[in-house]
Amino acid sequence: ETGVTQTPRHLVMGMTNKKSLKCEQHLGHNAMYWYKQSAKKPLELMFVYSLEERVENNSVPSRFSPECPNSSHLFLHLHTLQPEDSALYLCASSKGDNLYNEQFFGPGTRLTVL
Amino acid sequence: DQQVKQNSPSLSVQEGRISILNCDYTNSMFDYFLWYKKYPAEGPTFLISISSIKDKNEDGRFTVFLNKSAKHLSLHIVPSQPGDSAVYFCAAGEGSNYQLIWGAGTKLIIKP
Repeated sequence: ETGVTQTPRHLVMGMTNKKSLKCEQHLGHNAMYWYKQSAKKPLELMFVYSLEERVENNSVPSRFSPECPNSSHLFLHLHTLQPEDSALYLCASSKGDNLYNEQFFGPGTRLTVL
Repeated sequence: DQQVKQNSPSLSVQEGRISILNCDYTNSMFDYFLWYKKYPAEGPTFLISISSIKDKNEDGRFTVFLNKSAKHLSLHIVPSQPGDSAVYFCAAGEGSNYQLIWGAGTKLIIKP
């Protein structure tokens, strides 16, 4: 499979659950990103990984925990989320980690927290 | 406070006519601007970009105009086609930074 894939595509979880979102890129890129998109709001950058090291963490609550085991995979571990965390979570990758490099997005995971 | 604003949540245009999507920004340090397009159930895809050293960039039916003094950019699509119906996001950033600042998007509907 080519491009950026995300699983699951939809997730419903309770506030006490622990779940993980997975992102995989088959483009040979070395930077990966997690974004949050709430309804009718701009995309918000959550985390950036470059060469498997976290280089950006935009004051995201600790109930979101990213993991980048290698340059092709990115996870977002979720625990004790709140209803306001319900959103579309988008993963992206790029060849380099500055914004001149086009970001390729996955289709997103639609998360609902009950 | 939003640094990148797309004030029109939606826009409806007749097929074959010109679509003009607008974006305003507040940060004068931004030196790179991009437009992304998003279809339902898909991630955003890159459309066109412009550096602050230019005031226009053209790619086929798509042209982006940058007015630095007004802190305004616009995306022109001509002629508009049904496949252009999507949500369009404007994004901006400083070249040395990782972070793109995004607008909330404008939903473009092309009427047949």
